[in-house]
Amino acid sequence: EAEVAQSPRYKITEKSQAVAFWCDPISGHATLYWYRQILGQGPELLVQFQDESVVDDSQLPKDRFSAERLKGVDSTLKIQPAELGDSAMYLCASSPGTSNSGANVLTFGAGSRLTVL
Amino acid sequence: GQNIDQPTEMTATEGAIVQINCTYQTSGFNGLFWYQQHAGEAPTFLSYNVLDGLEEKGRFSSFLSRSKGYSYLLLKELQMKDSASYLCAASDSNYQLIWGAGTKLIIKP
Repeated sequence: EAEVAQSPRYKITEKSQAVAFWCDPISGHATLYWYRQILGQGPELLVQFQDESVVDDSQLPKDRFSAERLKGVDSTLKIQPAELGDSAMYLCASSPGTSNSGANVLTFGAGSRLTVL
Repeated sequence: GQNIDQPTEMTATEGAIVQINCTYQTSGFNGLFWYQQHAGEAPTFLSYNVLDGLEEKGRFSSFLSRSKGYSYLLLKELQMKDSASYLCAASDSNYQLIWGAGTKLIIKP
């Protein structure tokens, strides 16, 4: 069964350091999402790509977060500098449909759990 | 504003039936999703409703009433492995998902 690959699974860093997460979506999936999920809360969309283009990054804290999907396949999410409040699970998801498709089922990766000390 | 409401936590007994409710307020509507999330794991897709009525899929069923902005997930013959959080998400007019905080379901023997 096809999976969304993410790495690293766990990352512990000190505040003010840089951290990067990588995601490889299911082959052929045009839409890629980065979510942040704090324990006990629902996922919060950080950025959405359609192929290599950003569809929505309105909730991305652009002073410290950046995301790219240069060739429209895999993607990297970077935080620099990390802050204590960034501790969360970072989930990548992909979907086969275009971003304006109703039944656009997301397949999530296992996530990257970030702890900032 | 856009909002999803679902209970924070529910408890049920193994073998029983439980109904998890979700109410939504969105700008436009393009469907309602339910996802299951076990502790420390990623959400997995359970169901999608865009028309009113009940969709049955094995032990799990999902219901939608668009006029009431209401959905529920019905789990029958509960098993211990059903202990998880259940996330409700509504798709708005821009096909953006508005997520609830999730309902933690605890199954007792």
